[in-house]
Amino acid sequence: KAGVTQTPRYLIKTRGQQVTLSCSPISGHRSVSWYQQTPGQGLQFLFEYFSETQRNKGNFPGRFSGRQFSNSRSEMNVSTLELGDSALYLCASSLSGTSDVTQYFGPGTRLTVL
Amino acid sequence: GNSVTQMEGPVTLSEEAFLTINCTYTATGYPSLFWYVQYPGEGLQLLLKATKADDKGSNKGFEATYRKETTSFHLEKGSVQVSDSAVYFCALSVNTDKLIFGTGTRLQVFP
Repeated sequence: KAGVTQTPRYLIKTRGQQVTLSCSPISGHRSVSWYQQTPGQGLQFLFEYFSETQRNKGNFPGRFSGRQFSNSRSEMNVSTLELGDSALYLCASSLSGTSDVTQYFGPGTRLTVL
Repeated sequence: GNSVTQMEGPVTLSEEAFLTINCTYTATGYPSLFWYVQYPGEGLQLLLKATKADDKGSNKGFEATYRKETTSFHLEKGSVQVSDSAVYFCALSVNTDKLIFGTGTRLQVFP
């Protein structure tokens, strides 16, 4: 079974631009979560989508948004990029709807904002 | 609130040494506990998990036991290899699909 895939793997943007990251979950997984990883703040939860609905949200500004499609694929968008948005963005999928909340991660998208 | 505390790194060991990475947690309710490993330039890989008190998770020679009385989930391995060099994250989840992570512990193993 294929793992979680994320595209693109690397991105370079400039301040003020916007960016869209994509995540395809493991087949059969209906929940997709997004995390930001930085050296200073560590791993922080952004949001979680299940059945095309945002079910959980972390403490990030409204510039960070996401959506989920009917095939469970998810996208994350960051508008008006700031230097501090440079990070590794990780997507994780889980079955959800069961007692097993184990999340499986993709390789991440490395975003650099210049 | 819910939180995870990990020992500071880096942990530096010689090959075949015994490894312990401490992890304690604070949680309301009954969390599931996880260890993830991150190799350079990669995402997180699930190493092991435990979903209730006294459960022992194990994988690739690593073990961790869910200790409710001490709110701990320490990671251990009897004999580390150079290939185990990575960053290890302890995490918890309480009734949701949101993971709360510790700060990570870098392990360096030298031949």
